Amino acid sequence: KAGVTQTPRYLIKTRGQQVTLSCSPISGHRSVSWYQQTPGQGLQFLFEYFSETQRNKGNFPGRFSGRQFSNSRSEMNVSTLELGDSALYLCASSSIPELDTQYFGPGTRLTVL
Amino acid sequence: EDKVVQSPLSLVVHEGDTVTLNCSYEVTNFRSLLWYKQEKKAPTFLFMLTSSGIEKKSGRLSSILDKKELFSILNITATQTGDSAVYLCAEGNSGNTPLVFGKGTRLSVIA
Repeated sequence: KAGVTQTPRYLIKTRGQQVTLSCSPISGHRSVSWYQQTPGQGLQFLFEYFSETQRNKGNFPGRFSGRQFSNSRSEMNVSTLELGDSALYLCASSSIPELDTQYFGPGTRLTVL
Repeated sequence: EDKVVQSPLSLVVHEGDTVTLNCSYEVTNFRSLLWYKQEKKAPTFLFMLTSSGIEKKSGRLSSILDKKELFSILNITATQTGDSAVYLCAEGNSGNTPLVFGKGTRLSVIA
């Protein structure tokens, strides 16, 4: 089975722009979670989606949003980028939310200048 | 206050040493304790421990869960340079809540 894929792998944006990141889960997995990873804060939970519904949302401002499509692929969007949004954005999938074992994608490295 | 606390934050050992990484967690609605290894990008899954499976082993890596004292340890014996990574632990809870990750332990194994 192919693993979790994320696109793009690297992205450079400037302050004020917006960005959309994409995640394709492992085939058959219906739960997708997004995390932001920075050196100081570690892995911070952003959202979790299951069957196109957001089940959980982390403590991030409204500039961070996401969605899930009927094929379980997920996107996250960050609007009005700030320097502090520079981070590695990781997506993880599991077959159902109640199965805690999540499998991570390679991440998207976002740099905001 | 952090719910999942890992220690030490970083560790440098020589090849062949044995290391023990620690992870303490909260008990509220506890369901599972997971360990991941992160080398460059994607964390890779190592073990999941639950109330019904408190000890896991795979090659030189092993992990136990102490439900009474609310912590888990990850043991690596005969360390190799390829074990250099950040090791993350995460707690899974019942009740529709996401995994909570600790900040990780950075392990450096030098030849």
